[in-house]
Amino acid sequence: NAGVTQTPKFRVLKTGQSMTLLCAQDMNHEYMYWYRQDPGMGLRLIHYSVGEGTTAKGEVPDGYNVSRLKKQNFLLGLESAAPSQTSVYFCASSSPRSHSNQPQHFGDGTRLSIL
Amino acid sequence: SQQGEEDPQALSIQEGENATMNCSYKTSINNLQWYRQNSGRGLVHLILIRSNEREKHSGRLRVTLDTSKKSSSLLITASRAADTASYFCATAGAGTALIFGKGTTLSVSS
Repeated sequence: NAGVTQTPKFRVLKTGQSMTLLCAQDMNHEYMYWYRQDPGMGLRLIHYSVGEGTTAKGEVPDGYNVSRLKKQNFLLGLESAAPSQTSVYFCASSSPRSHSNQPQHFGDGTRLSIL
Repeated sequence: SQQGEEDPQALSIQEGENATMNCSYKTSINNLQWYRQNSGRGLVHLILIRSNEREKHSGRLRVTLDTSKKSSSLLITASRAADTASYFCATAGAGTALIFGKGTTLSVSS
């Protein structure tokens, strides 16, 4: 059972570089989310999607873009990485009935360092 | 902005003891969820309690919800070393995304 898979698991970037984090889920979930987790801050929502072709901003969207071209994939892009984006990034998905009333299923995270 | 705030921030107990964590929140909710995070891993859903429920059990877990006090508690009975993890509460209003607290770090020593 793969569940939610995030690629890559680790990455080191230089300031100004760009990259894309990939999230894939095999549970046929409608809703997908990107969070960042920083020490002492808990999880903060970056962007989310309620279905293929739709995206919406979360609490901390600045500096990130997302795309949901296929139902099973949710991509998070950093166009010009900054040291403040050093964090652990988590993707999650949930079932279609109501994204606030269903448990979220998480990947194991991508650890990103920006030098 | 954080909605749920867990208390304590850190908790250390011996195997076999009970562990209690609390979560307070500010606005009305549709449901409250508890998650566990082992070191270096993603969050795992433990239990969901709806706003019209007062108590829920799942194995060694007991969750209570007091909407008048805007608070919830998670009790883990007969703790084991494998329960060592961070525990997060997450709240949801109607149709809104989950908002996570900052977590309680639980250490269970043998």
